[in-house]
Amino acid sequence: QVQLVQSGAEVKKPGSSVKVSCKASGGTFSSYTISWVRQAPGQGLEWMGRIIPILGIANYAQKFQGRVTITADKSTSTAYMELSSLRSEDTAVYYCARTDPPYYDSSGPPRYFQHWGQGTLVTVSS
Amino acid sequence: QSALTQPASVSGSPGQSITISCTGTSSDVGGYNYVSWYQQHPGKAPKLMIYEVSNRPSGVPDRFSGSKSGNTASLTISGLQAEDEADYYCSSYTSSSTLYVFGTGTKVTVL
Repeated sequence: QVQLVQSGAEVKKPGSSVKVSCKASGGTFSSYTISWVRQAPGQGLEWMGRIIPILGIANYAQKFQGRVTITADKSTSTAYMELSSLRSEDTAVYYCARTDPPYYDSSGPPRYFQHWGQGTLVTVSS
Repeated sequence: QSALTQPASVSGSPGQSITISCTGTSSDVGGYNYVSWYQQHPGKAPKLMIYEVSNRPSGVPDRFSGSKSGNTASLTISGLQAEDEADYYCSSYTSSSTLYVFGTGTKVTVL
């Protein structure tokens, strides 16, 4: 049974950075991509980027390009999302999600978010 | 990459059927059969309900069904139940560097 467990809530000052972790269990970590999705209070879901652990390559949404860094540690089956130059508008719940099917699946690219972490609230406030 | 367009709210009585639309472009919804739907209850993580337009994961009731025509995908909930009251989001794989896009979200109310 796949589980994604995220790190705890954070309170940050504007201009600082935050790093959120997502530890996976119950599956083959390297074979699947991990995406990060955020949700501002009362707002919708927004895809930020993903990591391909088997390749160590990340792809980012244009909106976050240059401000977000997504990495993975295969030895601990943990993905990380670091967001820099924080501003109040970055206050949100950040989710990690395993994207299916596996990256090298012959049927096509990873295309749906099968498993989700519990979410991490990041509050940006002076 | 703009968010996919969904109605802000849809409501129905118990036992009725409702349909939620999700409109995109030929670069996302219309270009791939890679539309998925998520249910989100307040304070909870999203839950996958439909993938690849019309497939249900194990454990999702068959009251939930999906379809697509052109640039618009739809989620239908038949035999509406009280526990179906939640927010619903569509998502699609895209041809842009922003690989995935979500819909604006629809609040479903069971009257």
